[in-house]
Amino acid sequence: AQSVTQLGSHVSVSEGALVLLRCNYSSSVPPYLFWYVQYPNQGLQLLLKYTSAATLVKGINGFEAEFKKSETSFHLTKPSAHMSDAAEYFCAVSERSQGNMLTFGGGTRLMVKP
Amino acid sequence: NAGVMQNPRHLVRRRGQEARLRCSPMKGHSHVYWYRQLPEEGLKFMVYLQKENIIDESGMPKERFSAEFPKEGPSILRIQQVVRGDSAAYFCASSPRGVTEAFFGQGTRLTVV
Repeated sequence: AQSVTQLGSHVSVSEGALVLLRCNYSSSVPPYLFWYVQYPNQGLQLLLKYTSAATLVKGINGFEAEFKKSETSFHLTKPSAHMSDAAEYFCAVSERSQGNMLTFGGGTRLMVKP
Repeated sequence: NAGVMQNPRHLVRRRGQEARLRCSPMKGHSHVYWYRQLPEEGLKFMVYLQKENIIDESGMPKERFSAEFPKEGPSILRIQQVVRGDSAAYFCASSPRGVTEAFFGQGTRLTVV
């Protein structure tokens, strides 16, 4: 069975500051890992995914995440926050045999202060 | 290529009525996934379908819920005799065969009154 823990249901940063959203997972087999963003009353948009290639994954809108097997982590970062980054962010995991059957974390709401 | 289309976007049902949620996957996508998002929670997997087949329904409640993806037409998530606890956002995602990336629709927000 898989699970995903996102530390911090709410994160607040100032515009221009570093964004760090934490995600830890558990999986009995090598996982696929994803970060999605959800704007109010919208669906989910894929930011980036890890599927066993490079451990540092670059995504859209300047976000990146690093897969650390020893720490079972897949934290999301962005060097400089922008007001438009304010949204809900979800980390998700799937087993390789399950493809797109995702297990999601509880989400982190990112607020960006001017 | 239009994205994943879900309708209706908002649905209000009285307790005991039926809710039918529709999902048209992206063109060329033969895999459909349904997820439920309860208020202030993450998404929970419900069911995975391919054309005319249910592949995995391990996340579906045992009663009142059913899903189908016919050879022609959209995928349908059907909830019979709705209760207040069914109020949630229901998201559909689709993917082509062999691709590890799911594209999500904008969701249907079901409110049971």
